[in-house]
Amino acid sequence: SAVISQKPSRDICQRGTSLTIQCQVDSQVTMMFWYRQQPGQSLTLIATANQGSEATYESGFVIDKFPISRPNLTFSTLTVSNMSPEDSSIYLCSAARGETEAFFGQGTRLTVV
Amino acid sequence: QKEVEQNSGPLSVPEGAIASLNCTYSDRGSQSFFWYRQYSGKSPELIMFIYSNGDKEDGRFTAQLNKASQYVSLLIRDSQPSDSATYLCAVDAGGTSYGKLTFGQGTILTVHP
Repeated sequence: SAVISQKPSRDICQRGTSLTIQCQVDSQVTMMFWYRQQPGQSLTLIATANQGSEATYESGFVIDKFPISRPNLTFSTLTVSNMSPEDSSIYLCSAARGETEAFFGQGTRLTVV
Repeated sequence: QKEVEQNSGPLSVPEGAIASLNCTYSDRGSQSFFWYRQYSGKSPELIMFIYSNGDKEDGRFTAQLNKASQYVSLLIRDSQPSDSATYLCAVDAGGTSYGKLTFGQGTILTVHP
C-alpha cells in the first residue's frame, strides 16, 4: 500500500480564518478523496480531488467552503474557509490505486475557537 | 441515497472469545467491501477487503459477504484487548467511483481481560 503524509496533524484556529491541509502520497494514485469525521461520528466524504480539474463535491459540501486542489497525481490540498466552531473535526485524505484498497493519511485534527 | 448500517454497539466480549460485527448496505450495485479499525484519535486502518461472495480469512479475521442479502460481516477470533477499537464497515460502489467509500456509523468493540 502507499504511504500518505498529511499535514498539519492538528491545529487550533480562530473563527473566520482559513486552514489549508496538505496530502502527499509516496506513489502515483488514480483517485484521491477528502473526508470529514466530526466528533463521535463516522467518516463523511467531502469531495473527490480530480487531477488538473475542479473537485467533485458531495451533497452538502461546496467549493467556496472547501476549495480543493490536485495539481498532480500525488498531491492534494483541502482548504477549510471562513471557519466556525462547527468545522471542528478530523479531516482525512484518502487515496486509491485500484478497486481493492483505499488507504488513509493520519488525519488533521482541527479545533476552531 | 446509499446507506451502510452497522449493528449497534458498543459490543463487549471477553478475551479469547469471537467478536461478530455486522453490516448491511442498500446499494445492490456495490462492488467492494472493507473493514477498517480505528483507534481513538487515530485514522482508520484497513483490516480486510472482500468482493466475492463467501468467506475470506486473514489470521484471526474472517470477512463474510452475501450480496444477495446485502450483508457483510467481520469475525474476530481469539479476541485480544488490543482489538478494542471502533470498527468501520465501508462500501465501494466500484466502476468509475472506485475508492469512493460510504461508511457505516461504526461499532465500538471492547475486549475485556
